[in-house]
Amino acid sequence: GQQLNQSPQSMFIQEGEDVSMNCTSSSIFNTWLWYKQDPGEGPVLLIALYKAGELTSNGRLTAQFGITRKDSFLNISASIPSDVGIYFCGSAGYQKVTFGTGTKLQVIP
Amino acid sequence: DSGVTQTPKHLITATGQRVTLRCSPRSGDLSVYWYQQSLDQGLQFLIQYYNGEERAKGNILERFSAQQFPDLHSELNLSSLELGDSALYFCASSVGQYENTIYFGEGSWLTVV
Repeated sequence: GQQLNQSPQSMFIQEGEDVSMNCTSSSIFNTWLWYKQDPGEGPVLLIALYKAGELTSNGRLTAQFGITRKDSFLNISASIPSDVGIYFCGSAGYQKVTFGTGTKLQVIP
Repeated sequence: DSGVTQTPKHLITATGQRVTLRCSPRSGDLSVYWYQQSLDQGLQFLIQYYNGEERAKGNILERFSAQQFPDLHSELNLSSLELGDSALYFCASSVGQYENTIYFGEGSWLTVV
């Protein structure tokens, strides 16, 4: 099936630092989604991107839909302890969303 | 709260048994998706229903089946359970068939012993 390459797999950062993660695919997609999952809970939608080149912010989070439609980036500015969790990218063509393997973020106070 | 409701939240069952997981989508959503997440694994797409009909199938085992009822709730049936079926099963919903912004429930933890 389709594969999304999400990197990095895990990150340890100091509180207050900025974070960047990305997803790439060999296929073109119509939508890119970014989710955050806390332990034992369902993924929560952070940002949805619908057009190539689109740059969207949600508070301290900013995501971009790559111009080639094969990649997306998520940036978190001024990280805080509650940013800890697993961040998943999801890409959608027709009818289903494929997810990356996740980026596990740890924030050191 | 995403508005997607899943029950049960936790269940423990023995190998060879059968279980049913239930999902109520967000109000107004016609599509329901099922995903499996094993320990330290990503989200694996199982199946999608739209307005009662199967629309897309992923890596769903033959021992698993699903359906969406007229009231739009969905059930995922897992039979002849094996230890490897232990996982978190998520339901998600979206407005339309091709609406790709999906919202997840909190999941059902299945432990097979």
